[in-house]
Amino acid sequence: EDQVTQSPEALRLQEGESSSLNCSYTVSGLRGLFWYRQDPGKGPEFLFTLYSAGEEKEKERLKATLTKKESFLHITAPKPEDSATYLCAVQASVTPQSTTDSWGKLQFGAGTQVVVTP
Amino acid sequence: DVKVTQSSRYLVKRTGEKVFLECVQDMDHENMFWYRQDPGLGLRLIYFSYDVKMKEKGDIPEGYSVSREKKERFSLILESASTNQTSMYLCASSLAGAAKNIQYFGAGTRLSVL
Repeated sequence: EDQVTQSPEALRLQEGESSSLNCSYTVSGLRGLFWYRQDPGKGPEFLFTLYSAGEEKEKERLKATLTKKESFLHITAPKPEDSATYLCAVQASVTPQSTTDSWGKLQFGAGTQVVVTP
Repeated sequence: DVKVTQSSRYLVKRTGEKVFLECVQDMDHENMFWYRQDPGLGLRLIYFSYDVKMKEKGDIPEGYSVSREKKERFSLILESASTNQTSMYLCASSLAGAAKNIQYFGAGTRLSVL
């Protein structure tokens, strides 16, 4: 069964204090790994998709990387507005027998809650 | 911008009531999803639909049903609400096709069943 584990559960940072979030996964063939940001009381907002080991993507102070077993979300010099819960999700490769190939089921981790204080 | 709109932000219902949660997307997406989100458990898929009138069970379909009569609208139905269905419910949509499977989410409906 596909599993996604995020660590730590919560992270408290001082403004400017860089850190990394971890997303480890077990999946029978990775099609894609997704990072989302979720603010309190809101729905998740898409950040990145990574498709193969070694791939990296950046957006402002965020950088996502991918290996064969895990992904990291690096937050460089965070600001208070980076406070949010960060969710990781994996999409497994489907077997040839699958009839629902096009819809792309995501398996989510429980998230890491990040608080950045001034 | 993709917009996924959920009809209610907050709902309070009584045990045994029939509850309808509505979701509308404006991007002509083929796929639509219903998740529930509980602390420490992450998002869990309840049902999804890949076309009008087509639906598939997700990981936790018990106690729920869905309806998709039009491409842009996907409804989640709690036939007889129970207290263990108190949760945050999130709707999402995506384009069909492996290269376009980014799911876009609505703001969520926080449901309390008393």
